[in-house]
Amino acid sequence: DQQVKQNSPSLSVQEGRISILNCDYTNSMFDYFLWYKKYPAEGPTFLISISSIKDKNEDGRFTVFLNKSAKHLSLHIVPSQPGDSAVYFCAASAAVSGNTPLVFGKGTRLSVIA
Amino acid sequence: DTGVSQNPRHKITKRGQNVTFRCDPISEHNRLYWYRQTLGQGPEFLTYFQNEAQLEKSRLLSDRFSAERPKGSFSTLEIQRTEQGDSAMYLCASSFPSRPGGPSYEQYFGPGTRLTVT
Repeated sequence: DQQVKQNSPSLSVQEGRISILNCDYTNSMFDYFLWYKKYPAEGPTFLISISSIKDKNEDGRFTVFLNKSAKHLSLHIVPSQPGDSAVYFCAASAAVSGNTPLVFGKGTRLSVIA
Repeated sequence: DTGVSQNPRHKITKRGQNVTFRCDPISEHNRLYWYRQTLGQGPEFLTYFQNEAQLEKSRLLSDRFSAERPKGSFSTLEIQRTEQGDSAMYLCASSFPSRPGGPSYEQYFGPGTRLTVT
């Protein structure tokens, strides 16, 4: 039973346009959400996070939106750059409640085309 | 801040052999996590430590797996009697659950150890 789902295995976007990566979760106990970026042969790199008490968090070109009622979050990258091409993982935890291990989705491979 | 380091980066072993991996977390981080990632999947939680105490183990961590963090600094993950199904990327992450300004739940990952069991 997958608690965190990334239903799009891949996404292609033109350089300069917006990339939108989606994530759905099923466990209502999750209260902290993170996005990681992964290049081949490297570990995941932390990008941005959001607590369930917020609905938006922004850091430079990256914005995460959280819709708690729909159990859905999304990562917006604007403008997209070729260096953004990587696999993006959505992760969730009940960290605020004290349960910190992360539950990951299967990832979405983003390709930014120059 | 030198980041999380893991050694070795690659390990090839024959079925039935024992292997041990090491993780050195970011120095001020007191929580250390082990995850496993197979092809096409996201990382899956195995176990984690706060200082030297092992606080949680997932069902993925069979009896052949053991993890230690004896002095609350580096950690080792040992797999005994390896099986081909153990082939995966083993990832270590660390975090510092509290800091000035409020809690921090971000985990920072090392480069991983890729295990191949032949």
